[in-house]
Amino acid sequence: EDKVVQSPLSLVVHEGDTVTLNCSYEVTNFRSLLWYKQEKKAPTFLFMLTSSGIEKKSGRLSSILDKKELFSILNITATQTGDSAVYLCAVLNDMRFGAGTRLTVKP
Amino acid sequence: DAGVTQSPTHLIKTRGQQVTLRCSPKSGHDTVSWYQQALGQGPQFIFQYYEEEERQRGNFPDRFSGHQFPNYSSELNVNALLLGDSALYLCASSLFGGTNEKLFFGSGTQLSVL
Repeated sequence: EDKVVQSPLSLVVHEGDTVTLNCSYEVTNFRSLLWYKQEKKAPTFLFMLTSSGIEKKSGRLSSILDKKELFSILNITATQTGDSAVYLCAVLNDMRFGAGTRLTVKP
Repeated sequence: DAGVTQSPTHLIKTRGQQVTLRCSPKSGHDTVSWYQQALGQGPQFIFQYYEEEERQRGNFPDRFSGHQFPNYSSELNVNALLLGDSALYLCASSLFGGTNEKLFFGSGTQLSVL
């Protein structure tokens, strides 16, 4: 059965820490993997990954995809309290989301 | 440039009733997908509409149905509501078949079934 698994499910860190969030998948007809940040209701787009080994970067956030081992990671460096949110991983073509990682950054 | 808009924002229904949720996609988008997000869980894919037809469907019963209009807006209908249908319903729009298929989400409709 197709699945997308995120780990850890929750994480509590202090400002300035670096975190790594994981997303592994087993899906048919993989097309791309997307990362979203959900603070309240509407998930907001972070990254779209289609090729292995190419890092996407935006400020303190970066992400990479490994299509051989079927996983992706999302890194956040120098975390801030504003990074507190649920981070969701989704895989297309299946339109399948993981359960998310709830990140809490304490001052 | 309007983003994805959903209405209503909140809704309270009782078991057995029917509900209709509405979504207008981001300008320029032609595809609408619907998701159900229960508390503490990731969004679960319900179905996707393109060219007024259901193109993909997740593992949801026939009580969940939809429609897409010529202006690309969409409705999600749920019949015979159950307590377990209480959730945040998210609509996402995208451009079908494009190389950049990222989904843009609305703020959702919070449905409570009593």
